[in-house]
Parts: sequence; structure tokens; C-alpha cells
Amino acid sequence: AQSVSQHNHHVILSEAASLELGCNYSYGGTVNLFWYVQYPGQHLQLLLKYFSGDPLVKGIKGFEAEFIKSKFSFNLRKPSVQWSDTAEYFCALAGSGNTGKLIFGQGTTLQVKP
Amino acid sequence: DGGITQSPKYLFRKEGQNVTLSCEQNLNHDAMYWYRQDPGQGLRLIYYSQIVNDFQKGDIAEGYSVSREKKESFPLTVTSAQKNPTAFYLCASSSQGVGGYTFGSGTRLTVV
Repeated sequence: AQSVSQHNHHVILSEAASLELGCNYSYGGTVNLFWYVQYPGQHLQLLLKYFSGDPLVKGIKGFEAEFIKSKFSFNLRKPSVQWSDTAEYFCALAGSGNTGKLIFGQGTTLQVKP
Repeated sequence: DGGITQSPKYLFRKEGQNVTLSCEQNLNHDAMYWYRQDPGQGLRLIYYSQIVNDFQKGDIAEGYSVSREKKESFPLTVTSAQKNPTAFYLCASSSQGVGGYTFGSGTRLTVV
């Protein structure tokens, strides 16, 4: 069965601190991986995605993620967070069978203190 | 502007009543999805549809029903059989083979 696990449920950082949110997945085949962000009161937005090629993926707003196949991981990073990064972050895995289904992790709430 | 419209934003219903949540997209996307979001549980797939007049159950379909009579529309009915219907419901669409979704702004359903 496919699954996505986000280990950090609630993270609190001060501005300018570095961020790393963990994401591990369980799937035996070729993976497509995504990070979404949900700012307070807003739509879910795509931060970045990995399909193939360079395992270091850069997204919007200075975020990046690294796909490490041997560790089944796709951690999200940002060198210096801002108060405006306060949001909920979701890691997701594209399902098999070309249905386009996304399987989401539990989400991580990030709170950045000014 | 292209996008997904969910309505209403907030919905209150009495226990035992069926309620239908609207989802409309003008992106010309083939696939549409309904997710339920609960705190600490992420997003869980209720139903999805890849083409008109066809849909499949997701992981938590019990107590829900859908229809896909038009490409643009994918309404979700929360029936009285759903044991815990109070939640935030998100609709999404995607273009086949591209990956990644466009999400609506959601409907918060409260059953009292």
C-alpha cells in the first residue's frame, strides 16, 4: 500500500531560522512527489514537485526539496524562514495506475515567530 | 480567470439531512477529486472522476455520493449515513498525465 508520513506535526521557529520538514513515503514503483502549502484562509498551493531527473528540486518562495530514493524521503527545506511562511505544509505522492490520485501526509503546521 | 469554485464556503445542516457541496471548474481538466481534511489527518480521498459519467471510490467513500454529468462539475453529496460529516471538504482538478492539482477554496460543513 502507498502511504506518506510526515513526522513533524507542529514546528515552531524564529524568523531567519533554517527549516527542514520530513516526508517519508512507502511505494515500490516510480514516484511523483509534491509539497503543497496552505496559508491561513487560502487555497492549497503547489510549492514544488519531483517527477524525475535532478533529485534537488527548487520551488516557489525559496523552498527546495531533495528526493533521496534510498531513504524513501522527500524533505522540504528553506535556509531562512520568514513570518509569512507560517502555514500548513503537506507532502503528497502520486498514486499508481495513472489515476492521478494524490496520497497526502498528515500535514505539518509551521509557526514562525517574528 | 481559470479556477475551481466551491460553494458554499460554510454550510450548516441538521443531523440526518443530506447535503450537496458544489464544485465547478473552468480549467478544462479531465480529472476531478474530492478530499476531506481533518486536523492531524491530512487530506483523505473520498471520490474521484477521470472522465464524464465515470467515478471511483477513494479511501473513505462510505456515506458519500457523487455524480459527473458534465466535465465542469463534480458535486458531492454527504448523506445521513456518514457518521462524522463535520469537516473541511476540498475539491481539486488536474489535467491527465501532468500531475499536480488545482484546489478549490473548500467548504466547511458543520452538522449539528
